[in-house]
Amino acid sequence: DAKTTQPNSMESNEEEPVHLPCNHSTISGTDYIHWYRQLPSQGPEYVIHGLTSNVNNRMASLAIAEDRKSSTLILHRATLRDAAVYYCILSAWNTGNQFYFGTGTSLTVIP
Amino acid sequence: GAGVSQSPSNKVTEKGKDVELRCDPISGHTALYWYRQRLGQGLEFLIYFQGNSAPDKSGLPSDRFSAERTGGSVSTLTIQRTQQEDSAVYLCASSLGTSGPQYFGPGTRLTVT
Repeated sequence: DAKTTQPNSMESNEEEPVHLPCNHSTISGTDYIHWYRQLPSQGPEYVIHGLTSNVNNRMASLAIAEDRKSSTLILHRATLRDAAVYYCILSAWNTGNQFYFGTGTSLTVIP
Repeated sequence: GAGVSQSPSNKVTEKGKDVELRCDPISGHTALYWYRQRLGQGLEFLIYFQGNSAPDKSGLPSDRFSAERTGGSVSTLTIQRTQQEDSAVYLCASSLGTSGPQYFGPGTRLTVT
């Protein structure tokens, strides 16, 4: 199972952009990069995923390094509802897409 | 549409008893996953079902844990002779295939006394 490394915690001011980094130096060619977030007492919520190219959706943007050994989740304007634990996960589509979660980054949004 | 549902939402059981946890995936999703989350920790993969293929049981922590998926839809996770270390939130997820997002249910909080 491929490993990811994230900072344990980050803070952001409300209304400002947030860049959440993730290192995955052992990523293989068949690994997708997924980002999920988890609010207290809830199941993880899908945020975004990608393979090689940068991705944008209504929630966030995903910037993937050219060598794919790191990625950054970008929240364009943090709100108080974005306070959560954010997980960066690699999954191999050719072996079942099982997710191996790390400890994630706990994001605090300051009003 | 309806998301992934799990039942019960909470379960308190005595040590040594068996428990069954149920997961109803999103209709049409062929892949189903079970995870366990202990207090303050990340999720641990337990087992994965894809269509009619044999399940990937590589994450099951012991032979007291088993799961089945009937008719390619509903899944049941069974824990026999529960121990206190089994106390956790058990989460189920489903996905359309094996490369897309997984959608998680709200989980079942299991407490073994």
